[in-house]
Amino acid sequence: ELKVEQNPLFLSMQEGKNYTIYCNYSTTSDRLYWYRQDPGKSLESLFVLLSNGAVKQEGRLMASLDTKARLSTLHITAAVHDLSATYFCAVGKTSGSRLTFGEGTQLTVNP
Amino acid sequence: DVKVTQSSRYLVKRTGEKVFLECVQDMDHENMFWYRQDPGLGLRLIYFSYDVKMKEKGDIPEGYSVSREKKERFSLILESASTNQTSMYLCASRPGLAGSNTGELFFGEGSRLTVL
Repeated sequence: ELKVEQNPLFLSMQEGKNYTIYCNYSTTSDRLYWYRQDPGKSLESLFVLLSNGAVKQEGRLMASLDTKARLSTLHITAAVHDLSATYFCAVGKTSGSRLTFGEGTQLTVNP
Repeated sequence: DVKVTQSSRYLVKRTGEKVFLECVQDMDHENMFWYRQDPGLGLRLIYFSYDVKMKEKGDIPEGYSVSREKKERFSLILESASTNQTSMYLCASRPGLAGSNTGELFFGEGSRLTVL
């Protein structure tokens, strides 16, 4: 059974600081997804990582995937308040398989 | 843009009532999914469908059923609602294997159900 764990689950940080959210998963997989959820809203796709060593960046967020370590990271650079949200990672073995989600990391960026 | 529409954003029902949650997508996606989201538990898969009239159980199907009579529509049914089914319900879709498919899911806005 595929298990996906995120760390930390809660993160409070100051504007301008850097931090990393970790996503570990238990079985071999070569595709990983990051989603953002604002309070009361649905999930919005941020990144799709489809191979070992994949790195994608959008604004202050950068995601990477290490399939050998079964680890993905979401790095936040110089955080701003607008990044406050819950971030989920999800793992799928193939493009046709179901996704398994982590518990989510609730990020709060304080002025 | 992909649009996944859930018919009701907020519902309040009584224990024992039958509840229908409707989801419609406009991108001709083969695959559709129902998740529930609870604090501390992330998203858990209830049911999914790879094609019209096809359905498969997810991780927590007990107390739920689904219907997929048309490709664009996937309905979640609670035959007899109970208080432990109070939750946020999220519908998602994606293309099938023959389409341009990264495996990424596209989500609806969610339906928050309260069972009293």
